[in-house]
Amino acid sequence: SQTIHQWPATLVQPVGSPLSLECTVEGTSNPNLYWYRQAAGRGLQLLFYSVGIGQISSEVPQNLSASRPQDRQFILSSKKLLLSDSGFYLCACPRGPPGTEAFFGQGTRLTVV
Amino acid sequence: KNQVEQSPQSLIILEGKNCTLQCNYTVSPFSNLRWYKQDTGRGPVSLTIMTFSENTKSNGRYTATLDADTKQSSLHITASQLSDSASYICVVSLLSGTYKYIFGTGTRLKVLA
Repeated sequence: SQTIHQWPATLVQPVGSPLSLECTVEGTSNPNLYWYRQAAGRGLQLLFYSVGIGQISSEVPQNLSASRPQDRQFILSSKKLLLSDSGFYLCACPRGPPGTEAFFGQGTRLTVV
Repeated sequence: KNQVEQSPQSLIILEGKNCTLQCNYTVSPFSNLRWYKQDTGRGPVSLTIMTFSENTKSNGRYTATLDADTKQSSLHITASQLSDSASYICVVSLLSGTYKYIFGTGTRLKVLA
């Protein structure tokens, strides 16, 4: 069965420090992968999506970057965190062909202090 | 602009009562619409999916409707339970080359004993 692993579950980082959040998918190959951010009390905002290795599309200008070094690995990074980067980060992929139900990881709660 | 709007933003009801959540969208071209339940600090979990040709679909105590002409959907919860307390998110899939998901901001439901 298909599973998404995200880590860490929670993270507290100082302003200006780097960030690396990792998402891995099992039980599927060549999936579309997505990074979302959910600010407190707000909806999910699409940050990046990837249709394959090395292919990254950015939805909004921001302080973050994404990479897909392997088919089932999607990484969210920052060189210098800002306070506004705080939020709940979710990795997602379709359960089946693109357009089917989005399947989410358990998320990473990032607090920048 | 592709948008999904939900109402109300928050809702408090007593256990055993029914409630209806609304979703309006301006997504085109439309692929399908899903309702997700998101418990605090967790990733969203799909409740039901509505395709263009479907008007009503039930999943236990959850019943979703879709009016593709007016671009509106509703989620009706019958005989609410304390465990129904969560955010309910309407998600519309954009029928494009990469199948993007457009998320509503959600409705926060609180069920009181």
